[in-house]
Amino acid sequence: DAMVIQNPRYQVTQFGKPVTLSCSQTLNHNVMYWYQQKSSQAPKLLFHYYDKDFNNEADTPDNFQSRRPNTSFCFLDIRSPGLGDAAMYLCATSSLMGYEQYFGPGTRLTVT
Amino acid sequence: GDSVTQMEGPVTLSEEAFLTINCTYTATGYPSLFWYVQYPGEGLQLLLKATKADDKGSNKGFEATYRKETTSFHLEKGSVQVSDSAVYFCALSSGGSNYKLTFGKGTLLTVNP
Repeated sequence: DAMVIQNPRYQVTQFGKPVTLSCSQTLNHNVMYWYQQKSSQAPKLLFHYYDKDFNNEADTPDNFQSRRPNTSFCFLDIRSPGLGDAAMYLCATSSLMGYEQYFGPGTRLTVT
Repeated sequence: GDSVTQMEGPVTLSEEAFLTINCTYTATGYPSLFWYVQYPGEGLQLLLKATKADDKGSNKGFEATYRKETTSFHLEKGSVQVSDSAVYFCALSSGGSNYKLTFGKGTLLTVNP
């Protein structure tokens, strides 16, 4: 089945230690998104790629970066995680901007 | 700007009860409307969608009708099951150059046997 895959499902990192979360898709969608979701809240968009074009949300901290080396893969890099960055990170894709988005299962990040 | 207001939870129902979760929206133009469901510890799954006025989205016994006159997209199910326990998010996309999904705050549904 075509899908959005996120690895790992659970990630523990230390305060200030860089961490990378990965996302891959078999849907061949043009657009890939990264969201942060904290407990009992709606997902918050961090940034998205339309093909190779990167678009950052205005309020996304500089601590968060992303890479998309090809259509299938996208990475979220957190350069110096703080305790406040502990959250569920969701990757999503859509065929075109504005169409429905398909989400991966998420990576639960814990910062110790 | 775009916004979505949905019924505050939590909602607790007995199995086989009727479910309604209210959702209203504010948007420019003619948005597409969505309901997403999130089971504990999981990502969001698209439950149903409607792309124009009077469209009815349906899936797994859930339904929602795009009502432009009342700017609403209420989620309904005639007979809920324990397995429907989850958080439900109403969302909209104005499409075109506006790539974002605008989410409501989510409604936690618990169904008891």
